[in-house]
Amino acid sequence: DTGVSQNPRHKITKRGQNVTFRCDPISEHNRLYWYRQTLGQGPEFLTYFQNEAQLEKSRLLSDRFSAERPKGSFSTLEIQRTEQGDSAMYLCASSLQNMNTEAFFGQGTRLTVV
Amino acid sequence: RKEVEQDPGPFNVPEGATVAFNCTYSNSASQSFFWYRQDCRKEPKLLMSVYSSGNEDGRFTAQLNRASQYISLLIRDSKLSDSATYLCVVYNQGGKLIFGQGTELSVKP
Repeated sequence: DTGVSQNPRHKITKRGQNVTFRCDPISEHNRLYWYRQTLGQGPEFLTYFQNEAQLEKSRLLSDRFSAERPKGSFSTLEIQRTEQGDSAMYLCASSLQNMNTEAFFGQGTRLTVV
Repeated sequence: RKEVEQDPGPFNVPEGATVAFNCTYSNSASQSFFWYRQDCRKEPKLLMSVYSSGNEDGRFTAQLNRASQYISLLIRDSKLSDSATYLCVVYNQGGKLIFGQGTELSVKP
């Protein structure tokens, strides 16, 4: 399978715990995006990378959220001290740098904070 | 104001109907535009790109009006399988990909 891969697919955690999600993009894609999606809403931008450089982080994100892409390949998204409001689907997408090409999504990680 | 705004849904239409979705974007420097489709509890997938000259793919037609910062999607002869959420997507000049909130379409027999 050469598509975008996200792990885990589902995560249930207690409030206050830290969680980390992983995204493996399509191998030749140098752009990688993270989004959060709740029911009935479109994907909300969190952050994106070009190779290993983090180009932008949403102002909506608190300091509890951090993302890395250390070698320009896979990326991790960490949420510290989770809150119930963090419950959502976390989607990763990758694309080539050319903005006329489509972004491909992984199947997402569904986070439930109890 | 959101960077990308879409018609609120849901749209409930009978099979065979023609339905149009509208989308506006706020950043005049936005460079590329797409429509994505998202089925329930699935990831978004590209439906079609949107070009200034307009483009058609079977029953689907996309239009872009840069002067009005407006994008549209027309679906003709709706099928039950067209039921999904349609997402308007814009690349801004920095390469950030911005999604609208989505418009849900339900096609009924």
